[in-house]
Amino acid sequence: GQNIDQPTEMTATEGAIVQINCTYQTSGFNGLFWYQQHAGEAPTFLSYNVLDGLEEKGRFSSFLSRSKGYSYLLLKELQMKDSASYLCAFMDSNYQLIWGAGTKLIIKP
Amino acid sequence: GAVVSQHPSWVICKSGTSVKIECRSLDFQATTMFWYRQFPKQSLMLMATSNEGSKATYEQGVEKDKFLINHASLTLSTLTVTSAHPEDSSFYICSARDGRENQPQHFGDGTRLSIL
Repeated sequence: GQNIDQPTEMTATEGAIVQINCTYQTSGFNGLFWYQQHAGEAPTFLSYNVLDGLEEKGRFSSFLSRSKGYSYLLLKELQMKDSASYLCAFMDSNYQLIWGAGTKLIIKP
Repeated sequence: GAVVSQHPSWVICKSGTSVKIECRSLDFQATTMFWYRQFPKQSLMLMATSNEGSKATYEQGVEKDKFLINHASLTLSTLTVTSAHPEDSSFYICSARDGRENQPQHFGDGTRLSIL
């Protein structure tokens, strides 16, 4: 079967670093995506990993280990505007996205 | 970058009205478009997947006669909520996938539907 899991909520301090983990199980895999969604808005694309390793894009980095079924999103130098839900999703063998429930990230001053 | 345009952003209408939502890919050909629904504080729920020129594939529990999907071209898909009722009030989001390999889905801005 297929499943994907990420924490429901995390809290971090402005200026700090936070890592949001995502684990998944699937027989067919065509990459893992991270999206950011602010309340009341549609998701926006953050990153895509299809090979193992770390992809860095400014303050955001995403890591993938296919053998472990594991990914994380790393956010550095947190800003108040980073308060949002972060959704991980993997693309299965039919190129359909299977979504996690999202991690609500709360940034405190 | 890739842009998906969704229209309208907001709809408020009376119970029994049919509402059409458009989703357009502006700078790429979307062989596949997805329609999602999201209730407050809940995750995205996939309603249906539509491929250009063929019938949409609906997820379990989604009434295909109530949520009519048309994907007539590589840049346009429409969702029509027929005879909408208050329980259909939700945030509807479309996304489009570039036909090339290993491309992410790009989302429209969503349509907030309120049925009175």
